[in-house]
Amino acid sequence: AQSVTQLGSHVSVSEGALVLLRCNYSSSVPPYLFWYVQYPNQGLQLLLKYTTGATLVKGINGFEAEFKKSETSFHLTKPSAHMSDAAEYFCAVSDPGGYNKLIFGAGTRLAVHP
Amino acid sequence: GAGVSQTPSNKVTEKGKYVELRCDPISGHTALYWYRQSLGQGPEFLIYFQGTGAADDSGLPNDRFFAVRPEGSVSTLKIQRTERGDSAVYLCASSLNREAEAFFGQGTRLTVV
Repeated sequence: AQSVTQLGSHVSVSEGALVLLRCNYSSSVPPYLFWYVQYPNQGLQLLLKYTTGATLVKGINGFEAEFKKSETSFHLTKPSAHMSDAAEYFCAVSDPGGYNKLIFGAGTRLAVHP
Repeated sequence: GAGVSQTPSNKVTEKGKYVELRCDPISGHTALYWYRQSLGQGPEFLIYFQGTGAADDSGLPNDRFFAVRPEGSVSTLKIQRTERGDSAVYLCASSLNREAEAFFGQGTRLTVV
């Protein structure tokens, strides 16, 4: 069975600092991988996804993630945090070529302080 | 608006009562999904519709939960004999087809007292 582990339920960074949100997955087949963001009182929004091909994926708002098969990881990064990045971030996995039956991690709440 | 709409946004019900949660997907989206998000956890898959039919209902926790999508558009999630453990945010998402990006609604917060 597939599973997702997000290390750190809360992460706090200074404005302008590097953002690193960790995600490890377990899957018997190479999965599709996703990062979603949830702002207060809003629905989940897709940041980026990896399906096949280039392992470094660029998403919206300056975020990117790298699929590392050997480490079963898909960590999310952003070089310079902005106050507007404060939100909850979810990593998710699904079967390749399938539909949006997503297995989500527990989420990481990102706080950005001045 | 052109997004996924869920009503009501909040629902408080007494233990043992029946509730219905509604989802209006984006127009033209053939695929529709229900998820449940309990406090402090990520969303959990409940059911997937392709058109009018439930293609995968493996996430429904028990037979108190049922969902329909009779005309291939609006969907209703129905919960019978609600229990306090059913309290959660119920999320709906839709996508153009089974492989396209899923767009999520803001959810319905269900509280069973």
